[in-house]
Amino acid sequence: QSALTQPASVSGSPGQSITISCTGTSSDVGDYDYVSWYQQYPGKAPKLMIYEVSNRPSGVSDRFSGSKSGDTASLTISGLQAEDEADYYCSSYRSRRVMFGGGTKLTVL
Amino acid sequence: EVQLVESGGGLVQPGRSLRLSCAASGFTFDDYAMHWVRQAPGKGLEWVSGISWNSGSIDYADSVKGRFTISRDNVKNSLYLQMNSLRVEDTALYFCAKDPRGYTSGWYVDWGQGTLVIVSS
Repeated sequence: QSALTQPASVSGSPGQSITISCTGTSSDVGDYDYVSWYQQYPGKAPKLMIYEVSNRPSGVSDRFSGSKSGDTASLTISGLQAEDEADYYCSSYRSRRVMFGGGTKLTVL
Repeated sequence: EVQLVESGGGLVQPGRSLRLSCAASGFTFDDYAMHWVRQAPGKGLEWVSGISWNSGSIDYADSVKGRFTISRDNVKNSLYLQMNSLRVEDTALYFCAKDPRGYTSGWYVDWGQGTLVIVSS
């Protein structure tokens, strides 16, 4: 069982917006602003999309945004594009360790 | 350009040992914490272990504690993972990842391509 809980799958049509949730506890997501999100294509290394809850690394599209409320963090992708179809993982710092969510498969219909 | 190149993976029998290496370049290695993250076939990401810039802070996931040892050589710009008493469930692609700070902050811009460890009799 993963430390952080994500939906197994989400889907949306091109141009729509989707949100992926990531639920932790008061010891990780709820206690630190060190939540990050990764995009991963099959056979590839993960790519950082969001760090420290809502910051985008250089080069990441502003269609990707992050937020947090209590013990739950969220990744929102607006203006969905075919290339966004991938697996998405959240992670959180927790007492010198790092926790990952189980991953969410995004399907662009 | 940051480069992280893992090596040392392979097929090993349960109970045996394996040592993974990660060669780093393109940045000042001894300024940053480093981590190992693994991904079992068809499964999600799992943090394995992290080590601070000066090796003064080391942590492990419960699943590997007591069996795996992380270390680094700041002269050779290399990260290591000594894996003992390997189990079938340790089968995974092992990634080396660079922390943005000297101590664990929990997010990674830079990743290697991974080295595959298969534990099977």
